[in-house]
Amino acid sequence: GAGVSQSPSNKVTEKGKDVELRCDPISGHTALYWYRQSLGQGLEFLIYFQGNSAPDKSGLPSDRFSAERTGGSVSTLTIQRTQQEDSAVYLCASSSMGYTEAFFGQGTRLTVV
Amino acid sequence: AQSVTQLDSHVSVSEGTPVLLRCNYSSSYSPSLFWYVQHPNKGLQLLLKYTSAATLVKGINGFEAEFKKSETSFHLTKPSAHMSDAAEYFCVVSDKGSWGKLQFGAGTQVVVTP
Repeated sequence: GAGVSQSPSNKVTEKGKDVELRCDPISGHTALYWYRQSLGQGLEFLIYFQGNSAPDKSGLPSDRFSAERTGGSVSTLTIQRTQQEDSAVYLCASSSMGYTEAFFGQGTRLTVV
Repeated sequence: AQSVTQLDSHVSVSEGTPVLLRCNYSSSYSPSLFWYVQHPNKGLQLLLKYTSAATLVKGINGFEAEFKKSETSFHLTKPSAHMSDAAEYFCVVSDKGSWGKLQFGAGTQVVVTP
């Protein structure tokens, strides 16, 4: 596609449920990033993929969070047993190879009630 | 390890006056540096980038930034602020020591008054 696509754009879930957030990067981009942005806050790094490998998972807040990337393309961020503090906008970005500019999707707004 | 510090969390300027947003970085390698802008309820947009070519980088909407290795700085400037410049600005560093990961600063909120 022309840009980074994230789905769903909005997700409301009940506390304790699992959610999956999807990211379709720009075609051919090997680097993929997940960030989280809480209301009025900056960007919190979650995980970084180079191809299908994740050399840096240091930002995942807890073991309830996991992410995978298959075929060097689509990535899924999974949050298990969601908590209210997980409410945020989850942003995905991709770049051609790392060290270069990243292009961001519009984000998934997650609300845990 | 790489890191980036934005020295001002909030900047208020009058329309038509210069804008200066300060950014210092730390990197053990030759870094790539970026500025992104986020308007209210909008996505992140790249303003400009430095990737070891010219040290003075021009971006969109009249913004520019100068890479100063001796000062480890990458400050963002614009000669004359416009109301549409009101937004949050993020300084970003990336180097090969961090596998190309993008490290964001905490952001600077810019307010433009008439």
